[in-house]
Amino acid sequence: EAQVTQNPRYLITVTGKKLTVTCSQNMNHEYMSWYRQDPGLGLRQIYYSMNVEVTDKGDVPEGYKVSRKEKRNFPLILESPSPNQTSLYFCASSLATTNEQFFGPGTRLTVL
Amino acid sequence: QKEVEQNSGPLSVPEGAIASLNCTYSDRGSQSFFWYRQYSGKSPELIMSIYSNGDKEDGRFTAQLNKASQYVSLLIRDSQPSDSATYLCAVEAGTALIFGKGTTLSVSS
Repeated sequence: EAQVTQNPRYLITVTGKKLTVTCSQNMNHEYMSWYRQDPGLGLRQIYYSMNVEVTDKGDVPEGYKVSRKEKRNFPLILESPSPNQTSLYFCASSLATTNEQFFGPGTRLTVL
Repeated sequence: QKEVEQNSGPLSVPEGAIASLNCTYSDRGSQSFFWYRQYSGKSPELIMSIYSNGDKEDGRFTAQLNKASQYVSLLIRDSQPSDSATYLCAVEAGTALIFGKGTTLSVSS
């Protein structure tokens, strides 16, 4: 089944404790992206990657890191999480030619 | 700043009616336009894409694009209670998608 998977789905953590949210797709998509969704603010792009070893900042990159060492994986790293990073996070992927993005199930993160 | 604007709603329609959802965008250079449906607590699901001026139909859904007016719409015919969700308009902006904040649709039986 073609899909984007994220782990964990739910995470409660404390300020300053480094965490990684994994994202994996099995559709051989070149493009992958991370979004956060907050009430009243909608979906905002954090980082994106056009292909392996190619990443770039989206609209709200502060406090986040990403890497793209393999085509299928695009982990999101929070080196020192803060309460303002409490949000619902989505990973998405698409072919580079279409921009028709397919979303993972989401990760609900709470930072205390 | 590239923007995508949608009425937040809620838009309420009775079962069987036509629901009309609208979206305007600021970047005249955008070439690709998408409608996503998002149920509460779930991830966005792509339901329509449109690239050319005019109408594109898929089952009960019709997307309409007018690049001169920078306007995209989604019509849902024979609305069902299961169509109750938030509909997100997304516009291509180079390497990114810019999303509107969504319109909440409520279909009453």
